[in-house]
Amino acid sequence: KAGVTQTPRYLIKTRGQQVTLSCSPISGHRSVSWYQQTPGQGLQFLFEYFSETQRNKGNFPGRFSGRQFSNSRSEMNVSTLELGDSALYLCASSPEAGESYEQYFGPGTRLTVT
Amino acid sequence: AQKVTQAQTEISVVEKEDVTLDCVYETRDTTYYLFWYKQPPSGELVFLIRRNSFDEQNEISGRYSWNFQKSTSSFNFTITASQVVDSAVYFCALRLLSAGNMLTFGGGTRLMVKP
Repeated sequence: KAGVTQTPRYLIKTRGQQVTLSCSPISGHRSVSWYQQTPGQGLQFLFEYFSETQRNKGNFPGRFSGRQFSNSRSEMNVSTLELGDSALYLCASSPEAGESYEQYFGPGTRLTVT
Repeated sequence: AQKVTQAQTEISVVEKEDVTLDCVYETRDTTYYLFWYKQPPSGELVFLIRRNSFDEQNEISGRYSWNFQKSTSSFNFTITASQVVDSAVYFCALRLLSAGNMLTFGGGTRLMVKP
């Protein structure tokens, strides 16, 4: 099976712009979660989608949003980019929500905001 | 609220030494899952192990072993006979059954294995 794929892998944007990141989960996985990784704050949970519904949301401003499509692919959007949004954005997928399933991570999208 | 602490930010060992990475967690929930992930320089988090709160059996997988102790809220990870390829950042994470798939990560431990 192919692993979790994320596109693009690298992105450079300017303050004030918006960006959309994409995540394709492992085939058959219906849960997709997003995480932000920065040197200062570490790995932080952004949100989780399951069957096109947001199940959980982390403590991030409303500029961060996401969605999931019927084929389980997910996108996250950040509007009005700030310098502090520069980070590695990781997507993870698992077969179902909750229970004892582990999550498998993609290679990430490295976003640089200048 | 839940929390995961990895007190060791960086560890340096010489190849073939044994090394233990510490992980302490906090939660009031009774059903939860603990994980270890490895992050090599490429950036992708690689799943190593999952333990649920009802299973305190220690586990060994090759050179890797894990010691889960609920009494001290710890889930430590030992690499025996370390190798240069073990160099990476290792993360301990906690997931509550009540919180879907949300993982709470520790700050990570950077392990450097020198030849």
